[in-house]
Amino acid sequence: EAQVTQNPRYLITVTGKKLTVTCSQNMNHEYMSWYRQDPGLGLRQIYYSMNVEVTDKGDVPEGYKVSRKEKRNFPLILESPSPNQTSLYFCASSRNRADNEKLFFGSGTQLSVL
Amino acid sequence: RKEVEQDPGPFNVPEGATVAFNCTYSNSASQSFFWYRQDCRKEPKLLMSVYSSGNEDGRFTAQLNRASQYISLLIRDSKLSDSATYLCVVNRVGDDMRFGAGTRLTVKP
Repeated sequence: EAQVTQNPRYLITVTGKKLTVTCSQNMNHEYMSWYRQDPGLGLRQIYYSMNVEVTDKGDVPEGYKVSRKEKRNFPLILESPSPNQTSLYFCASSRNRADNEKLFFGSGTQLSVL
Repeated sequence: RKEVEQDPGPFNVPEGATVAFNCTYSNSASQSFFWYRQDCRKEPKLLMSVYSSGNEDGRFTAQLNRASQYISLLIRDSKLSDSATYLCVVNRVGDDMRFGAGTRLTVKP
């Protein structure tokens, strides 16, 4: 089954404790992206990747890192989480950026930073 | 100003009602338009693309007005299962999808 697998589904952590949210897709997609969703603001893009070893900042990259060492995986790293990073996070992928109208989303990660 | 703006609602309608949502976008270079559906705290899913001539998918009709820079979604004969948040999404060539904050719909028995 074609899917984007995102883990964990829920995460509660404390300020400053490094964490990683994993994202993996099994569709051989070139394009992958991370979003955060906050009430009243919609989905905002954090980082995206057009292919292996190619990553770029989205609209709200501060406080986040990503890597794309393999095509299928696109982890989101918070080196020193802060309470303002409490949010609902989604990973998504598509065949390529030009064809990103058909975005496949992971099931989301609800992160709470205390 | 947000690039994509939607009325957050909520829209509370009875079963069988017809309901319409509008969405405006600020960038005239936007070329692709979509409606996504999102159930509470779950991942968004593509509902339908929006074409210049307007298009229909069962009870759902989407329309685009490029001159006024808005798109609309019409739902006829609302079902309880239509209760969700509807996200307006626009895209420019070479850019990434821009999401509206969503319009919440509740269909009541």
